[in-house]
Amino acid sequence: AQSVTQLDSQVPVFEEAPVELRCNYSSSVSVYLFWYVQYPNQGLQLLLKYLSGSTLVKGINGFEAEFNKSQTSFHLRKPSVHISDTAEYFCAVSEQGGSEKLVFGKGTKLTVNP
Amino acid sequence: GAVVSQHPSRVICKSGTSVKIECRSLDFQATTMFWYRQFPKQSLMLMATSNEGSKATYEQGVEKDKFLINHASLTLSTLTVTSAHPEDSSFYICSARHPLSYEQYFGPGTRLTVT
Repeated sequence: AQSVTQLDSQVPVFEEAPVELRCNYSSSVSVYLFWYVQYPNQGLQLLLKYLSGSTLVKGINGFEAEFNKSQTSFHLRKPSVHISDTAEYFCAVSEQGGSEKLVFGKGTKLTVNP
Repeated sequence: GAVVSQHPSRVICKSGTSVKIECRSLDFQATTMFWYRQFPKQSLMLMATSNEGSKATYEQGVEKDKFLINHASLTLSTLTVTSAHPEDSSFYICSARHPLSYEQYFGPGTRLTVT
C-alpha cells in the first residue's frame, strides 16, 4: 500500500516570493506521482505528473517538481508566486502497473499575501 | 481538454431520504470513473471505482448498500446516497479516466448537506 505525507498543512508567503510545498511518499513498489490544485468549492486540477524519465517535471502555471527516489520525495516549487496561486495543493501517488487508484496526501493550503 | 461535470453542485436533503449525484464525462468516453469523499480541510478519500457495465469496487469501510454506484454508460456514473444521515454530509468528487492518457479528470464536486 502507498501513503503520502505532506509535511506542511499551511504555507503563507508573500507575493513574488518563491515557494516549496513538500511531499514524501511511501511505497513498496514503483509509483507515479502527481500534484493537484483545488480552488475553493471546486474539483481538482492536475498541475503536473511524474511517470518516468527526467526527474524534473514542469507543469502548468509555472510550477515544477522534482522526483527524488532516494528520499522518496516529490516537492513542488514555484520561483515567484501570485495572489491567484492561493489554493489547496494535493500530492498523490498511484502504483505503477496497478489499479490506477490515487492515494492523496492531506493537502497544503498555500496563501499568497500581498 | 477533457471535461467532467457533476450535477447537482449543491444539494440539501432531509435525514432518511436518498439523493443521486451524477458524474458525466463530456467529451470522452470513460470506462472507469472514481468516486471520492472529502471532509472539510481534509484530503480526498477514494470510496469506489466504477466500471462501465459491471459492479463497482468499493474501498474497505465503504458501505456498498448505502452508497449505490451505477455506471450504465461510457459517459455517466451515478452515486446514490441512500437513507442519508447528517454524518453523510460532505463534498463528493468524481473523476473519469481518459482512455488514451489514463489520466484522471475531476469533476467540480457536489456539496451534500443532510439536515
